This record gives sequence, C-alpha cells and structure tokens, in this order.
Amino acid sequence: AQRVTQPEKLLSVFKGAPVELKCNYSYSGSPELFWYVQYSRQRLQLLLRHISRESIKGFTADLNKGETSFHLKKPFAQEEDSAMYYCAPPVIKSGGSNYKLTFGKGTLLTVNP
Amino acid sequence: GAVVSQHPSWVICKSGTSVKIECRSLDFQATTMFWYRQFPKQSLMLMATSNEGSKATYEQGVEKDKFLINHASLTLSTLTVTSAHPEDSSFYICSATPHNEQFFGPGTRLTVL
Repeated sequence: AQRVTQPEKLLSVFKGAPVELKCNYSYSGSPELFWYVQYSRQRLQLLLRHISRESIKGFTADLNKGETSFHLKKPFAQEEDSAMYYCAPPVIKSGGSNYKLTFGKGTLLTVNP
Repeated sequence: GAVVSQHPSWVICKSGTSVKIECRSLDFQATTMFWYRQFPKQSLMLMATSNEGSKATYEQGVEKDKFLINHASLTLSTLTVTSAHPEDSSFYICSATPHNEQFFGPGTRLTVL
C-alpha cells in the first residue's frame, strides 16, 4: 500500500525565510508523488508533481529514495504562500473498483510579515 | 487543466431533511470520483470512491445509508446526505481523475440547523 506522512500539522515562518514542508512515503513500487495546495477560500489544486521536476511559484520538491522523502521547499517564503499543503500519491487502482488513496494529513503553512 | 464543478456551493437545511450535492467533470470523462469531507482547519477525509455504473466504495466508519452516492454517468456523481443532522455540517469536496492526479471541485458548504 502507498502511504504518505506529513509529520508537521502546523508550520510558521517569517517572510523571506526558507521553508520546507516534510513528506515521507512508504511504497512498494516506484513512487510518483504530488503536492497539492489549498489557499484560503479556494479549491485544492495541484502544485507540482515530482515526475515533471518543475518549479511552481518558487517551490521545488525532490524525491529522495534513500530517505523516502518528497519534501517541498522554497528558499524565500512569501505571505501569499500561506495555505494548507498536502502531499499525495497518485490515484492507482489496487484491484477491482478499489483505490488506495492516502493523502497526507496536510501542513498548514503560515508566513508572517 | 481539467475542470470539476460542484453544485450547490453552499446549502442550509433543516435537521431531518436530505440534501443532494452534485459533482461534474466538465471537460473529461471520469469513471471514478472521490468524495471528501473537511472540517475547519483540518485535513481532507476521504469518505468514499464513486464508480460509474457500480456501487460506491466507502471508507471505514462512513455510513453508506447516510451518505448515498450515485455515479450514473461518466461526468456526474451525486452525494445525498440523508436525514441530515447538525453534526453533518461540514465542507464536502469531490475530485475526479482523468489520469493519476486529482482535480478538485470547489466544495459545498453544508449547514444543518
């Protein structure tokens, strides 16, 4: 079963400081992971996926197979980055009509002025 | 990107009544949709997986007779909260997946008086 863990429920940093949101995974195959973000009063949306190795809004996430981690990083946090961040595995059918889908618990990031 | 809509965006109802929430994939077909529940400042909780043309798969602890799910077409899933009570008040979110990432609806705020 694919499982992700976000150990921090809350994270608070000051504007301009580096930020790292942690995500660890346990996988039985090749991992493919996503970060989703939910800004206040907005819908959840995809922030980035590891397979594309892209940088969105200054955020990057590198898959570390040795540490089984997929931490989300930004060198200089901005106030508009304040949001709830979720680490998640892909949607994969495990058999029949059943899916194994385990979102992380989410980390609420607050960037203070 | 793919677009998912939900209707209504908010609803207030009396205790004991039933409320239907619709989730539509607007520009893609979705054989599978997911229904989540979210309490204020808390993580998403997966309630059930909606499968087109077959029965929904409910997560442990979610009452299937309380939360009726119908996925009658490739673009529409409905969640009906039956005999709603104040403790059912919450934010309900659906998602659909054309590939292996999720696209989320804007959510429906349900308030049961």
